[in-house]
Amino acid sequence: GAVVSQHPSWVICKSGTSVKIECRSLDFQATTMFWYRQFPKQSLMLMATSNEGSKATYEQGVEKDKFLINHASLTLSTLTVTSAHPEDSSFYICSARLNTGELFFGEGSRLTVL
Amino acid sequence: KQEVTQIPAALSVPEGENLVLNCSFTDSAIYNLQWFRQDPGKGLTSLLLIQSSQREQTSGRLNASLDKSSGRSTLYIAASQPGDSATYLCAVRPSGSARQLTFGSGTQLTVLP
Repeated sequence: GAVVSQHPSWVICKSGTSVKIECRSLDFQATTMFWYRQFPKQSLMLMATSNEGSKATYEQGVEKDKFLINHASLTLSTLTVTSAHPEDSSFYICSARLNTGELFFGEGSRLTVL
Repeated sequence: KQEVTQIPAALSVPEGENLVLNCSFTDSAIYNLQWFRQDPGKGLTSLLLIQSSQREQTSGRLNASLDKSSGRSTLYIAASQPGDSATYLCAVRPSGSARQLTFGSGTQLTVLP
């Protein structure tokens, strides 16, 4: 299947700093990527849809100034958690969709804010 | 609003057993349904994708069925192995939408050696 790579796989930062997470489609082009957040023992919550060359579409309740999404190329989307706080600690997962409609996910990034 | 339910929440079986995981959804107007597995602390691995026009898909020991009218999908795992232990998630993509994939809460499977 298609490969989606996420980096870093884990990051620890101090409160108030910003953290960038990258999501790359390695063997296909993705005009649309998706960012999810997952809390322990819960399912995935869609945060936003990242569109190549245009603004991201955020789900209700997700602060767009807090979670900056950039999709500058057909193979790369980035999520920047700005001025991170402990409540932002979570597991963030990106995904990309093939033309067939099948969705492939990255390995996830665990963010811990101290 | 689409709701996806997975039963049971957790399942423990001895190695070699055949098992069925269930997924139900409230709105039958779907584009496709996808089954994933998630290992602890990892991302999701796509297992099977069923388009709305299909009734089942098979891959190795896995078989997924879809009954849109009743709002149900099942994932059948044959001859289970300890390596199958993981959380299995189903996700529904509604018709007419490019996003809004709705996930179930998952079934945590443990296959005992």
